[in-house]
Amino acid sequence: DVKVTQSSRYLVKRTGEKVFLECVQDMDHENMFWYRQDPGLGLRLIYFSYDVKMKEKGDIPEGYSVSREKKERFSLILESASTNQTSMYLCASSNRDRDYEQYFGPGTRLTVT
Amino acid sequence: ILNVEQSPQSLHVQEGDSTNFTCSFPSSNFYALHWYRWETAKSPEALFVMTLNGDEKKKGRISATLNTKEGYSYLYIKGSQPEDSATYLCASPGNTPLVFGKGTRLSVIA
Repeated sequence: DVKVTQSSRYLVKRTGEKVFLECVQDMDHENMFWYRQDPGLGLRLIYFSYDVKMKEKGDIPEGYSVSREKKERFSLILESASTNQTSMYLCASSNRDRDYEQYFGPGTRLTVT
Repeated sequence: ILNVEQSPQSLHVQEGDSTNFTCSFPSSNFYALHWYRWETAKSPEALFVMTLNGDEKKKGRISATLNTKEGYSYLYIKGSQPEDSATYLCASPGNTPLVFGKGTRLSVIA
């Protein structure tokens, strides 16, 4: 079974803090993704990566950065957390082609106060 | 940005009812259409990935059809059960790897 794990299920941070969300997959997938999910807005893509050290902006990259130093690990970084970044964050991975399904982690519910 | 639309936004059905919902997407430059089920407190899980016009896929009581020429896909659930309660998402590759619709939230009442 594919397993995608995320470092925390729940996280509370203060405005201005630097926040790291970690994601690890164990199926040697090339592609990894970070989404956020907000009520009424659905899943929106923040950043994705097709390979180690590669990153591409998604639909809403502002205020975020990412790091992929190893194939199995994809980190999402909030350089200076703000209250509008309070959300559910989901990591996913997949094989290279676009007709391969994505496998999702359990999500991190981040609250920024 | 590719626009993927789902309807209805939410649906309440009685146990045993059959139901269906729609995903629409631009028919030009079509590549693939994904369906996912997202149960509360769990991760989204893939149901189907469909690529060919006229494709029909089935998993137990759930099936999906695809019309790439007119840009829509239907998801059908036969004899709904309470465990089918979830949000059903469709997605299609666009400028980014997958663009998701906002989902259809299904509640099955026992």
